[in-house]
Amino acid sequence: ETGVTQSPTHLIKTRGQQVTLRCSSQSGHNTVSWYQQALGQGPQFIFQYYREEENGRGNFPPRFSGLQFPNYSSELNVNALELDDSALYLCASSSQGEWADTQYFGPGTRLTVL
Amino acid sequence: AQKITQTQPGMFVQEKEAVTLDCTYDTSDPSYGLFWYKQPSSGEMIFLIYQGSYDQQNATEGRYSLNFQKARKSANLVISASQLGDSAMYFCAMRGYYGGATNKLIFGTGTLLAVQP
Repeated sequence: ETGVTQSPTHLIKTRGQQVTLRCSSQSGHNTVSWYQQALGQGPQFIFQYYREEENGRGNFPPRFSGLQFPNYSSELNVNALELDDSALYLCASSSQGEWADTQYFGPGTRLTVL
Repeated sequence: AQKITQTQPGMFVQEKEAVTLDCTYDTSDPSYGLFWYKQPSSGEMIFLIYQGSYDQQNATEGRYSLNFQKARKSANLVISASQLGDSAMYFCAMRGYYGGATNKLIFGTGTLLAVQP
């Protein structure tokens, strides 16, 4: 196991609602990245947080937002949920500054939007 | 733009045999990293192996080895002595070096490996 945890494991919401997903990074890691994985596809980069600041963003609308806390845990917030937001949401932690900078993933949160 | 291509949607292999999963990439970055992840049906992405673009030797981690051919822009994963527990989706991913800025991973579409007894 990687030591990266995510909650909740599963979530069912209806269109238009808001959702918050949580991620605790591996001990010693200061960077958290979030990915969306639709069914049958590879993960797509949403954004990354490094020392509580957003450090890059993928092609996702502003209704996808995030936070990183002083203990390096992170939240992903999605407002005005749409049916296409149904996916597995993965967070990954890493230690910025190391070239290899391997990202270690949590078990994911499976979001279903009805 | 960076891109990862995995052309094998699914593969079968007999238990105890070796299997090669293909991955080609495209990037204009002079420095980059290539990763392979395993995703069982449970959903967690498990890191398997890493190859840096300047590494002279192919990476190996236990039964996993990465056949890195820089001129051909390929980074194939070789699994030796397949086990039933190797049945999973396998993703190739690339990370560009942005000087500490966005260190995102770009993933391919994956290859579903089924190991048969």
